[in-house]
Amino acid sequence: DAMVIQNPRYQVTQFGKPVTLSCSQTLNHNVMYWYQQKSSQAPKLLFHYYDKDFNNEADTPDNFQSRRPNTSFCFLDIRSPGLGDAAMYLCATSRGMAGRKTDTQYFGPGTRLTVL
Amino acid sequence: QQQVKQSPQSLIVQKGGISIINCAYENTAFDYFPWYQQFPGKGPALLIAIRPDVSEKKEGRFTISFNKSAKQFSLHIMDSQPGDSATYFCAASIGNAGNMLTFGGGTRLMVKP
Repeated sequence: DAMVIQNPRYQVTQFGKPVTLSCSQTLNHNVMYWYQQKSSQAPKLLFHYYDKDFNNEADTPDNFQSRRPNTSFCFLDIRSPGLGDAAMYLCATSRGMAGRKTDTQYFGPGTRLTVL
Repeated sequence: QQQVKQSPQSLIVQKGGISIINCAYENTAFDYFPWYQQFPGKGPALLIAIRPDVSEKKEGRFTISFNKSAKQFSLHIMDSQPGDSATYFCAASIGNAGNMLTFGGGTRLMVKP
């Protein structure tokens, strides 16, 4: 029944040590999103893929990169994590059908990143 | 400006009471307004959503009221239960702009037994 799967659920890294978070989906959705959510805040969109087309939010730091090798998988790479990057990272998917006005986003359970 | 303002930030309701969360938006191009429910340690899950061509939508104990002229919408939880204790986010998107969600700041709801 799992639809959007994120691994690992908890990740601890050291300041400046690169880390990769992964997301997979069984929904065959065209669009995949990465959000950052800090404590008691709303999710903040970092970037999204529409199929293979990568779309970066204007205020997403260069420290954050993403890869989508195929429809099912998407990765978030943090090249040099800082203390301020400690957060919950949420992956979401949506169908992305053209002209569809109610394109529901389905979220994964998130990966909680701790930076020491 | 793409902003959604949500209030209150936190809410305490007795079991059986009505929980009301309000959101206001500025961009009249928004045409889809979902509400998400998030439990601690989990990702947000779609609860209920509305389009601006209707003024109210009800699903079980959850109702969205929508006031297009005031650019406001609200979530009502009837007969609130302790299991409803969670953080609720309103959101808005523009259908032909990739459905990017603009989230409100969230409301932490606690329903006391």
